[in-house]
Amino acid sequence: QQQVKQSPQSLIVQKGGISIINCAYENTAFDYFPWYQQFPGKGPALLIAIRPDVSEKKEGRFTISFNKSAKQFSLHIMDSQPGDSATYFCAASSRGTYKYIFGTGTRLKVLA
Amino acid sequence: GAVVSQHPSRVICKSGTSVKIECRSLDFQATTMFWYRQFPKKSLMLMATSNEGSKATYEQGVEKDKFLINHASLTLSTLTVTSAHPEDSSFYICSASAGGVYEQYFGPGTRLTVT
Repeated sequence: QQQVKQSPQSLIVQKGGISIINCAYENTAFDYFPWYQQFPGKGPALLIAIRPDVSEKKEGRFTISFNKSAKQFSLHIMDSQPGDSATYFCAASSRGTYKYIFGTGTRLKVLA
Repeated sequence: GAVVSQHPSRVICKSGTSVKIECRSLDFQATTMFWYRQFPKKSLMLMATSNEGSKATYEQGVEKDKFLINHASLTLSTLTVTSAHPEDSSFYICSASAGGVYEQYFGPGTRLTVT
């Protein structure tokens, strides 16, 4: 019940295309859902996060869509660029512990 | 965003020795720090949560006598891998939080290789 399932495991997108990564959770106590970007050999960096009281949040080219009833959320990267090539992790957290449960990661490659 | 540093960035040690990794929050007071371990091409696994001035809380399956965590100040936490063995080789990442909030700020990670 503590797992966060992430798909796809890897993704190849043409430059300018839309990259879509999906996550699903079971624990209804989760109420904070961040997305992180990680380059090889580096720590993860926060991209965008959402609370369950909104269905969508957009920051620049990054958009989170959130479906509370389905317990799913997704990251959309618009106008994908080669510099976006990295591994992306979704995570979930709950009030009280504030611990992150990470998804399994998606390796994105954007072709020039 | 807030800045978190780790030192060293890379360390190689011999089997049986101990190694200490530092995690510092540079521009805010980190009431809570988290330590993660990441294997190649895998996700981040939470090892422990530490609150300033308190004993760390370890996740199930993490040996607290092997992975000693100290969080003595609001800007510094240390992870000591004791009697390291090759299977302890991994990428260790810390994160810092102001406490009672969701946002975690991650350090750049430390690559530990045990020979």
